[in-house]
Amino acid sequence: EDKVVQSPLSLVVHEGDTVTLNCSYEVTNFRSLLWYKQEKKAPTFLFMLTSSGIEKKSGRLSSILDKKELSSILNITATQTGDSAIYLCAGGWGSQGNLIFGKGTKLSVKP
Amino acid sequence: NAGVMQNPRHLVRRRGQEARLRCSPMKGHSHVYWYRQLPEEGLKFMVYLQKENIIDESGMPKERFSAEFPKEGPSILRIQQVVRGDSAAYFCASSPRRQETQYFGPGTRLLVL
Repeated sequence: EDKVVQSPLSLVVHEGDTVTLNCSYEVTNFRSLLWYKQEKKAPTFLFMLTSSGIEKKSGRLSSILDKKELSSILNITATQTGDSAIYLCAGGWGSQGNLIFGKGTKLSVKP
Repeated sequence: NAGVMQNPRHLVRRRGQEARLRCSPMKGHSHVYWYRQLPEEGLKFMVYLQKENIIDESGMPKERFSAEFPKEGPSILRIQQVVRGDSAAYFCASSPRRQETQYFGPGTRLLVL
């Protein structure tokens, strides 16, 4: 059965800290790994990773995929209180094109 | 450029009633996915539709749940004879093509009393 596991499940840091969120996957038809940020409402898209070893960057966020280890990490540097959210990792693609999600990492950034 | 729209945002139903959840995909997107999220759980896939066709409904309960995406109008997820266990957040996502980035709507929070 396809599954995606994220760790840690929750994390509390102080503003300015750097955090690393982990995601491992076992997805039969794997082609891409996606990261989303979920605050109170819609998950918002962060990154889609398809190639191993190539870092994607957006501001203070960056992510990389390791196909050999079947894993990905999401780094956030110089965290701010606005980074507080649940970060979801998803493996693509399920049997016909759906995403398989992990349970998420709940990040709390204290002032 | 409107994103994925869902309505209603909140829905309260009594046991045995019907719930209808609507989703309008982003402009130019013809692929729609429905996911359910329970508290402290990740998003679980329910059904994948393309205009007028159900592509994959393997994640949807066989009883009481149905989905459609007509030629005109929004996609609808219908839950008949709701039970307390149906209480959850239901998210819709859309993509322009199969196996491309999915963009999510704000969700419908269903509460069954």
